[in-house]
Amino acid sequence: EADIYQTPRYLVIGTGKKITLECSQTMGHDKMYWYQQDPGMELHLIHYSYGVNSTEKGDLSSESTVSRIRTEHFPLTLESARPSHTSQYLCASSERVVTDTQYFGPGTRLTVL
Amino acid sequence: GNSVTQMEGPVTLSEEAFLTINCTYTATGYPSLFWYVQYPGEGLQLLLKATKADDKGSNKGFEATYRKETTSFHLEKGSVQVSDSAVYFCALSDLERGSYIPTFGRGTSLIVHP
Repeated sequence: EADIYQTPRYLVIGTGKKITLECSQTMGHDKMYWYQQDPGMELHLIHYSYGVNSTEKGDLSSESTVSRIRTEHFPLTLESARPSHTSQYLCASSERVVTDTQYFGPGTRLTVL
Repeated sequence: GNSVTQMEGPVTLSEEAFLTINCTYTATGYPSLFWYVQYPGEGLQLLLKATKADDKGSNKGFEATYRKETTSFHLEKGSVQVSDSAVYFCALSDLERGSYIPTFGRGTSLIVHP
């Protein structure tokens, strides 16, 4: 059983608000990822990290930022939320090995009004 | 760059029918291949994987064989159940941009009727 947690599970906020989506894992994995999942279920990689103090942008342009100060914690921040940010956000982690199985959190469903 | 192509859904089947979901890939190196499943309201979870050619991954009655010659990793199950209704993602992990970055297909929705 994977131990990766996301909070909140659901969030409804107004335009212009600053929000942080939390992601934590207790498996000691070096690599962590944030995905945006659109209504058609396709996954888009928006950020990833190889380890502490490492962050990289993914394939999808995003107005969000991430930080990795501790191995287990990889929060995602939107400085000013917009309706276009309405989506499902999935966090994942993996070991730094070739076989690289990803373990996913349950997701945060964000709605920006 | 790497890519994964899987059949579009939804795939609608009756209980106990045979399932095939096609997946083909393009990779610059020698990737590991995965099938993930996403049940409603949840994140993805690993269903099975294969790390080298001709390997067969299997779990919960699902199987997929790594075919390097056809660059395919088709998912099969002999007799589906209503509880198999979910979205299935084919994925690969390959060395790109100096690290193993995962690439996912677009997902295939499976609906199983009693």
